Amino acid sequence: DAGITQSPRYKITETGRQVTLMCHQTWSHSYMFWYRQDLGHGLRLIYYSAAADITDKGEVPDGYVVSRSKTENFPLTLESATRSQTSVYFCASRGQGAVQETQYFGPGTRLLVL
Amino acid sequence: KQEVTQIPAALSVPEGENLVLNCSFTDSAIYNLQWFRQDPGKGLTSLLLIQSSQREQTSGRLNASLDKSSGRSTLYIAASQPGDSATYLCAVSPDDKIIFGKGTRLHILP
Repeated sequence: DAGITQSPRYKITETGRQVTLMCHQTWSHSYMFWYRQDLGHGLRLIYYSAAADITDKGEVPDGYVVSRSKTENFPLTLESATRSQTSVYFCASRGQGAVQETQYFGPGTRLLVL
Repeated sequence: KQEVTQIPAALSVPEGENLVLNCSFTDSAIYNLQWFRQDPGKGLTSLLLIQSSQREQTSGRLNASLDKSSGRSTLYIAASQPGDSATYLCAVSPDDKIIFGKGTRLHILP
């Protein structure tokens, strides 16, 4: 499918487990982003990547790890999940690395940590 | 630190009315400002993007304005419809990243 996809769409896990959320885009966009969305906080940037093998921290990176070995994939790993990481996670991408272009968002992954 | 504020947090209006959503930001050094729409349980969809050198953008019944000097933007929706019910988010780009407001939850009453 063309566009930006996330998997899984829903995930329930337990405290202390490792969880990986997947993000895939078909446009060969340079930039990719991970956000979490929580009531009262809105959307907050976790990590972003300007190109393959280049990643940088956002506003709330603690407890998360990312990698970008291929342009089209940008997985987000929770190394040891905590209840505070229960959230909706959105992946996004932006075309050609230009700041002036819009971001395209995936449908989100709802994560519940018990 | 750039902060984006959207007031009100929620708004209900009768169908057919024109309405304005407000957004303010604290630092005028931005590349662009965007308005997004989010439906319940869905991702975000870009509605309008205004470059820093522009004053407004229009798409159908939507018109967004930007006043960098005052740190303000408005989203005008003409002849509102029940299908316009959603959360509208304002976001600014000071660099590679985007900073979002918390959104205005809009309900159009049939």
